[in-house]
Amino acid sequence: DTGVSQDPRHKITKRGQNVTFRCDPISEHNRLYWYRQTLGQGPEFLTYFQNEAQLEKSRLLSDRFSAERPKGSFSTLEIQRTEQGDSAMYLCASMETSGSAGELFFGEGSRLTVL
Amino acid sequence: EDKVVQSPLSLVVHEGDTVTLNCSYEVTNFRSLLWYKQEKKAPTFLFMLTSSGIEKKSGRLSSILDKKELFSILNITATQTGDSAVYLCALEDFGNEKLTFGTGTRLTIIP
Repeated sequence: DTGVSQDPRHKITKRGQNVTFRCDPISEHNRLYWYRQTLGQGPEFLTYFQNEAQLEKSRLLSDRFSAERPKGSFSTLEIQRTEQGDSAMYLCASMETSGSAGELFFGEGSRLTVL
Repeated sequence: EDKVVQSPLSLVVHEGDTVTLNCSYEVTNFRSLLWYKQEKKAPTFLFMLTSSGIEKKSGRLSSILDKKELFSILNITATQTGDSAVYLCALEDFGNEKLTFGTGTRLTIIP
């Protein structure tokens, strides 16, 4: 499978626990995006990377959220001290820098449920 | 924050009907407007529109952008049950290709 892959696909956790999601983009894609989608809403931008550099973070991203892309390949999104409001689908997407948004590929998402 | 508003929020029609989904926005300076189909999983790309008044067409689906009136429509003719999904509209920023999505329209096709 050469698409964008995300792991885990589902995560159920108790409030206060830390969780980490992983995204493996399409191999030649140097841009990587994280979005969050709650029920009945469109995806919301969280952050994006150009290779290993994190170039923009949404104001919606609290200090409990951190994302990394240490070698410019896979990325992780960690949420510390989870709250019930963090329950959502976390979507990763990737594209080539020279591409346009029409060439943005989304992964299947990681669904987080915080009890 | 760029605002993208989709209407209706949900729509239920019978198979074979034609539907028109609306997307309106507030910004005037953007690179493109995109339409996606989402069936429980990842959004899948349908159309990218950059120029006003030029219709994009793919089979039974078509879309057009009106930059003067700040809206786009997505038409689906002869609907099928497989068209049931959430249809998302998004604006693409210049530079970082960040997308700002609308809330989506949930389309349900009844056999």
